[in-house]
Amino acid sequence: DIQLTQSPSFLSASVGDRVTITCRASQGIISYLAWYQQKPGKAPKLLIYGASTLQSGVPSRFSGSGSGTEFTLTISSLQPEDSATYYCQQLNSYPITFGQGTRLEIK
Amino acid sequence: EVQLLESGGGLVQPGGSLRVACAASGFTLSSYGMSWVRQAPGKGLEWVSGISGSGDSTFYADSVKGRFTISRDNSKNMLYLQMNTLRADDTAVYYCAKCISWDTRASVDHWGQGTLVIVSS
Repeated sequence: DIQLTQSPSFLSASVGDRVTITCRASQGIISYLAWYQQKPGKAPKLLIYGASTLQSGVPSRFSGSGSGTEFTLTISSLQPEDSATYYCQQLNSYPITFGQGTRLEIK
Repeated sequence: EVQLLESGGGLVQPGGSLRVACAASGFTLSSYGMSWVRQAPGKGLEWVSGISGSGDSTFYADSVKGRFTISRDNSKNMLYLQMNTLRADDTAVYYCAKCISWDTRASVDHWGQGTLVIVSS
């Protein structure tokens, strides 16, 4: 199985900050990676698919990059509503797996 | 508008069975792969199972293989997850999830609200 390791596991940042979350895969997954945002008590929301394609309706401050084994999710200017847990997901091979999550707190 | 509405969750004893269902609307179910994703209390997301648009191909996480069965009835716009030999570590919110294409190896663009399954004596 492909393991995904996110770093950091917890992040505290201020409004307006540029924030980067990293997702590393235990083997190459080309660009078969998605990013999701989940707020407490809610279902996840798709942010990025294909490693770098912004899902329709998602603010342009979110961006994704990377290929192979290392990927990043960047929020260019953090907003209060971005407080959430973020997950990466690999879709290269079964079983599909998620990273352990990164909890983002707004200072 | 895409809507996914899960039902069938509840309390079940270890070793018991439960079937959760998902009513889909607002899109042509047969054109999209569907998945079940679960989340244990206070934990992260875990992909459980996926099924292709036609229903010909099914896939499972190792943790549920041989115990869970995913199925779909495109004529009724329904997705199902039959769960047998349930264990305490199956306790979770189960989300019905629509993939962005017919392939189950695709991102999920719509999620249900989730149904809670509790396995306990």
